[in-house]
Parts: sequence; structure tokens; C-alpha cells
Amino acid sequence: QKEVEQDPGPLSVPEGAIVSLNCTYSNSAFQYFMWYRQYSRKGPELLMYTYSSGNKEDGRFTAQVDKSSKYISLFIRDSQPSDSATYLCAMTEGLEAGTALIFGKGTTLSVSS
Amino acid sequence: DGGITQSPKYLFRKEGQNVTLSCEQNLNHDAMYWYRQDPGQGLRLIYYSQIVNDFQKGDIAEGYSVSREKKESFPLTVTSAQKNPTAFYLCASSPDPQGTEQYFGPGTRLTVT
Repeated sequence: QKEVEQDPGPLSVPEGAIVSLNCTYSNSAFQYFMWYRQYSRKGPELLMYTYSSGNKEDGRFTAQVDKSSKYISLFIRDSQPSDSATYLCAMTEGLEAGTALIFGKGTTLSVSS
Repeated sequence: DGGITQSPKYLFRKEGQNVTLSCEQNLNHDAMYWYRQDPGQGLRLIYYSQIVNDFQKGDIAEGYSVSREKKESFPLTVTSAQKNPTAFYLCASSPDPQGTEQYFGPGTRLTVT
């Protein structure tokens, strides 16, 4: 079983829709969870950063972490064509210096106008 | 502007040649990272450095080398020993040693023929 699983999509939605992106993981020691947005041929951009369980909201974006289910989600409200990108989840134990982030493979989102 | 720069954006080399990818950051981050991204495979860690003159191998270090002579610079050399060097290379930096919050550069796409 891979450490982090993420449905690659593609996911296609109309403008204004609510989008739900998800990742599951197997390592219960993960404590730090991130969502990155990556446009084609660009570097990933950090969108959301959460520690442990709970919700975090930033504008149209909400990140949820359910450690008991080993499941994280990113919700995008009022989706826009500019949200069309690949979304990568990443996580780490954060216990040791230099611990690498473990990435999901990314979900490709397309928002049509 | 603060940020991470990578150059060049596109790089072409013949098989058997070593090539060095540049990564510079002016964020005053101690930790820096090199990842490789292949289609459908997510990001994989090549090398990381937490401090000047120190670096550690990541998951796929074979065929690569790095140096960290200055805090702001972390160049990656792809050697002729790397069996499949064509990929998208991403540099990242983090303000904390655990690397729980990483910021990425725009990437260098290397093509070896």
C-alpha cells in the first residue's frame, strides 16, 4: 500500500461548483498536511498548511484533516476557470530535521466557464 | 522580490554529458531540497540540505550530486551515471529544519537525448 493515495482525475466541473479533492494515507505519524496547486509546467504553489486534525479556511479554500480516518480534503467554493490546475497533497511526520514531504500524485482539475 | 529562482527553464543535453541546474533563494531559508517530477509519479526527493556545507541523500540520489557552499544556493548536477535523467526538476526551500512548509521554484525541464 502506497503511503499517500490521491485520485489522479481528471475532474471536470462547471464554473461556480464546489470542488472536493481528497487524499488518504497510511502512516498514522503524519502530523503536517499541505495542499499545493501546480499549473502546467510550473512549480507547485503552497495553498494550505495545517497541523494535526481540524479545518482551516482561506478565502474560497478549506482544508480538512481527519486523522482518525487518515483522510484529508481540500474544498474549493465558487470554483473559477483559473482554479484549473493539478492539486497535490503532501504530508510529513515533521519529527526529524530534513524529513521529506510525502506527496500524492496529484489530481488534475478543469473548471469550465 | 523574495523567492526561489531556477535556471534555465528548459535545458537540453546529449547523453553522457553532466549538467548543472541552478537554484537560488533569497528567503533566508536554511533548508533546501531537490525533487524530481515525472508524469504520473508525483515528486521524489533527490537531495536535501539543512545548513551550509551539509547535505543528505534523498530517495533517488543515485546519479546526482549537490553542493551547498552558500546559504542561498543549492545547485544540482545530473551526472552521466543517471540512467533516466529526462524529467522536471524542482528546487524548494523551507524556513524550518523539519521541512514542514516548503516553497518551490518554477522548475527546470531537462531533456537528454
